[in-house]
Amino acid sequence: KQEVTQIPAALSVPEGENLVLNCSFTDSAIYNLQWFRQDPGKGLTSLLLIQSSQREQTSGRLNASLDKSSGRSTLYIAASQPGDSATYLCAVRGSGGSNYKLTFGKGTLLTVNP
Amino acid sequence: DGGITQSPKYLFRKEGQNVTLSCEQNLNHDAMYWYRQDPGQGLRLIYYSQIVNDFQKGDIAEGYSVSREKKESFPLTVTSAQKNPTAFYLCASRERRSTDTQYFGPGTRLTVL
Repeated sequence: KQEVTQIPAALSVPEGENLVLNCSFTDSAIYNLQWFRQDPGKGLTSLLLIQSSQREQTSGRLNASLDKSSGRSTLYIAASQPGDSATYLCAVRGSGGSNYKLTFGKGTLLTVNP
Repeated sequence: DGGITQSPKYLFRKEGQNVTLSCEQNLNHDAMYWYRQDPGQGLRLIYYSQIVNDFQKGDIAEGYSVSREKKESFPLTVTSAQKNPTAFYLCASRERRSTDTQYFGPGTRLTVL
């Protein structure tokens, strides 16, 4: 059974800092990995998707990496801003018969202080 | 404006009542999903549908039912058999043809009175 862990559970940083959020998964047989952002009381917004054959994806100040063999992904946020404050969720999609399913971590609550 | 809509945003249910949560998408996606989110827990899959007129149970389907009569619509009914229905419910759809990205609606918060 796939399990996804996100560390740390909460992170508070001053504005302008670069930061890294971590995601680990127990079964390396994944199809892809997706990072989401969730604001309080809202739905999830997709940030980046990395296919299992890729090593990283970039969008603006965000960079996500994937090391499938070690079961790890990181989300790097450059020059953080107060508007980046949210919960960040990592999810992996299984391969083969588990392809229908995304398994989520519990998220990292990020607070960027002005 | 393409996307996923969920209604209502807030829903209150009395003990013993069935309630139905609406989910509509105009993204032309075949696959749709229902998740439940509780504080301190990750999202858990309730039901999913990969094509019209077909749906499958997820990890926590007991006390819930769905239908998929149209590609655009995937309503979720929370029945009186669901013992702890108070939660945030999220609907999603999946784009298969290029990026395989999963998109989410804004959610419905259900509270049992």
